[in-house]
Amino acid sequence: KQEVTQIPAALSVPEGENLVLNCSFTDSAIYNLQWFRQDPGKGLTSLLLIQSSQREQTSGRLNASLDKSSGRSTLYIAASQPGDSATYLCAVTNNQGGKLIFGQGTELSVKP
Amino acid sequence: EAGVAQSPRYKIIEKRQSVAFWCNPISGHATLYWYQQILGQGPKLLIQFQNNGVVDDSQLPKDRFSAERLKGVDSTLKIQPAKLEDSAVYLCASSLGIAGPDTQYFGPGTRLTVL
Repeated sequence: KQEVTQIPAALSVPEGENLVLNCSFTDSAIYNLQWFRQDPGKGLTSLLLIQSSQREQTSGRLNASLDKSSGRSTLYIAASQPGDSATYLCAVTNNQGGKLIFGQGTELSVKP
Repeated sequence: EAGVAQSPRYKIIEKRQSVAFWCNPISGHATLYWYQQILGQGPKLLIQFQNNGVVDDSQLPKDRFSAERLKGVDSTLKIQPAKLEDSAVYLCASSLGIAGPDTQYFGPGTRLTVL
């Protein structure tokens, strides 16, 4: 049974700092991995999707890496801003079009 | 392009009452998902539809939860009777399905409080 874990559960950093969020999964036979952002009272917004054959994806200040063999992914946020404050969720799918299996999220707070 | 629409946004009921949620996916999206997100946890899939057929309902508590997707477009999720532990945010998502990119697009969710 696939399980996804995110560490830390909460993180507070000063503005401008670079930071890394961690995600681990128990079954390496994934189809893809996604990072989402969730703002309070809102739905989820997809940030980056990494196919199982890829090692990383970049979008602006965000970079996500994937190491399938070790069951790990990291989300790197460069030069953090207060607007980055949100909960970040990692999720994997085991097949195309399949359900997302989520971690419990990391609540990020970026202080001005 | 319009996103995934859900209603109502908030609902408060007493235990043993019934409640229904509605979802309108992005136009042309064949796959529709209902997730339950309990406070402090990640979302968990309740049911997945491909057009109007059920693909996965293994985690749906079928003694009290039901869902349908008539005509392969809109979907409703019903809880009858509700329990205290059903308090959660119910998220609807859609994607193009197996023939297209895998990105799932989420609606704003319905926050249910059971008293």
